[in-house]
Amino acid sequence: DGGITQSPKYLFRKEGQNVTLSCEQNLNHDAMYWYRQDPGQGLRLIYYSQIVNDFQKGDIAEGYSVSREKKESFPLTVTSAQKNPTAFYLCASSQGGGGTEAFFGQGTRLTVV
Amino acid sequence: QKEVEQDPGPLSVPEGAIVSLNCTYSNSAFQYFMWYRQYSRKGPELLMYTYSSGNKEDGRFTAQVDKSSKYISLFIRDSQPSDSATYLCAMRHGNNRLAFGKGNQVVVIP
Repeated sequence: DGGITQSPKYLFRKEGQNVTLSCEQNLNHDAMYWYRQDPGQGLRLIYYSQIVNDFQKGDIAEGYSVSREKKESFPLTVTSAQKNPTAFYLCASSQGGGGTEAFFGQGTRLTVV
Repeated sequence: QKEVEQDPGPLSVPEGAIVSLNCTYSNSAFQYFMWYRQYSRKGPELLMYTYSSGNKEDGRFTAQVDKSSKYISLFIRDSQPSDSATYLCAMRHGNNRLAFGKGNQVVVIP
């Protein structure tokens, strides 16, 4: 089955630690995205990548980093610089170019303890 | 002014009623309009996808886009308890960045 796999589903992090969220897709999509979802805030774009080895900051990139070394993988690192990292993180991908919809993974719930 | 405005609700309706959801937007460059359904603690799933103005129907779901008014709607006929979810509108123009509404929580009461 084609799709987007995020892991882990739940993640706990101590304050001051970096943590990496995994996102893998087998849809052969060019573009991949990371969103953060907080109650009452909707989806906010953290980073996106339209092609391998290239990515751009979204609206709330501070305290996050990404890499895009392979077409199918777009890991997100939440660094200790992120002041309020507890949230639901969603990865998505799309074919690229105009006119294509985005498909989402099932999300990772990150909690800072 | 936010790019996309969506009243977060919640919206409660009895089973069998018509659910009406809408979003307004400010960016006239948006060409592609989507509705996603998100169940609790799950990722959003694409429900409807429309290009430019007009109506699109898929079973019990109808999506409408009025670009002149910068207004999109989603109608759910014969609502079922399984339709209880959060519905997010999304839109984009050619640069691949999606702009989302905040989501509207819908509860269908049996």
